[in-house]
Amino acid sequence: AQRVTQPEKLLSVFKGAPVELKCNYSYSGSPELFWYVQYSRQRLQLLLRHISRESIKGFTADLNKGETSFHLKKPFAQEEDSAMYYCALLIQGAQKLVFGQGTRLTINP
Amino acid sequence: DTEVTQTPKHLVMGMTNKKSLKCEQHMGHRAMYWYKQKAKKPPELMFVYSYEKLSINESVPSRFSPECPNSSLLNLHLHALQPEDSALYLCASSQGTSGGLAYEQYFGPGTRLTVT
Repeated sequence: AQRVTQPEKLLSVFKGAPVELKCNYSYSGSPELFWYVQYSRQRLQLLLRHISRESIKGFTADLNKGETSFHLKKPFAQEEDSAMYYCALLIQGAQKLVFGQGTRLTINP
Repeated sequence: DTEVTQTPKHLVMGMTNKKSLKCEQHMGHRAMYWYKQKAKKPPELMFVYSYEKLSINESVPSRFSPECPNSSLLNLHLHALQPEDSALYLCASSQGTSGGLAYEQYFGPGTRLTVT
């Protein structure tokens, strides 16, 4: 079965501290994974996709097939990072995104 | 134009009403999607259109009827909805897939639907 698990519903860290949002997946095919972010009163938008290996807004995410994980990391959190973060798995051929339950990140000043 | 637009922003309808949600994109994307998002939950896929043809229906009740009049427009016709259908309805579009590479989906702001 295809599944995305984000174990933390809520995550709170202080400004300047490192952040790690966890994502694990279950998928029999070759995984294609994304991180989407939803800031307050804004639309859902793509933050990262594993295939591009980019760093966006200081965030990085590495696909670990051995651990079936795609954790999102940032070395120094900023207040504007406060948002809801969703990890998503693309089902190959079906163009179907399966989302995790989301993690609400709060950065405290 | 690099946005997906949705109208209306808010919609309140009775259980006997018929209404439609509209979605538009002018990015030349060939795949369009409808998602349903309940409060504090992730989006759940409802329908996928690829090259204006319905390619995925996630066992959605027939009171939801999608339509893709052309490659830029996507409608969701609503009829005889139930209160539990109240949710944020999101539209998305993407370039689809090419050579095994899937492109990211761009989301609209959503229509917040309340069924009374």
